[in-house]
Amino acid sequence: AQRVTQPEKLLSVFKGAPVELKCNYSYSGSPELFWYVQYSRQRLQLLLRHISRESIKGFTADLNKGETSFHLKKPFAQEEDSAMYYCALKGAGANNLFFGTGTRLTVIP
Amino acid sequence: GAGVSQSPSNKVTEKGKDVELRCDPISGHTALYWYRQSLGQGLEFLIYFQGNSAPDKSGLPSDRFSAERTGGSVSTLTIQRTQQEDSAVYLCASSLRSSGYGYTFGSGTRLTVV
Repeated sequence: AQRVTQPEKLLSVFKGAPVELKCNYSYSGSPELFWYVQYSRQRLQLLLRHISRESIKGFTADLNKGETSFHLKKPFAQEEDSAMYYCALKGAGANNLFFGTGTRLTVIP
Repeated sequence: GAGVSQSPSNKVTEKGKDVELRCDPISGHTALYWYRQSLGQGLEFLIYFQGNSAPDKSGLPSDRFSAERTGGSVSTLTIQRTQQEDSAVYLCASSLRSSGYGYTFGSGTRLTVV
């Protein structure tokens, strides 16, 4: 069975501080991992995916197969980063994404 | 259209009534998904349509839930005999194919069962 765990429902950091949103997964095969973000009053949208190994809005995420983690990191948080963040997994051959319960990030000015 | 359109944006219904939620995906997107977003529960997969193939209904929580996709475009999610636990935001997403990176989400329908 596949599972995505985001242990923190709420996370607050000060502007300029580093931020890490945790995501752990359980899946027996090789998954695709994603981070989606929902800003206030906006639609859920893709932030980044592990296979592209890109940095979006200063965020990066590395897939650690040994620890089965896909933590989202940013070295210096900005106020506009305040949002709801969802980690998601797609199993091989699966039709859909499996989402975690989300972490609400608040960046304090 | 320019994006995924869902209607209505808000729906309040009495317990026991039937409701229909509509999703108009991006033109040309063959894959369409319905998810339910409940407070503290994250996003729960409900159903997936891909072209003319049989839908993947594995996420539907009960037989009160059903969905159709007509002509490979517009989809309707129907909830019969609504219950209070059906209250949630129902999200629709579409993509060019079954791939996580291509999801475009609609703004959702907030359903409240009173």
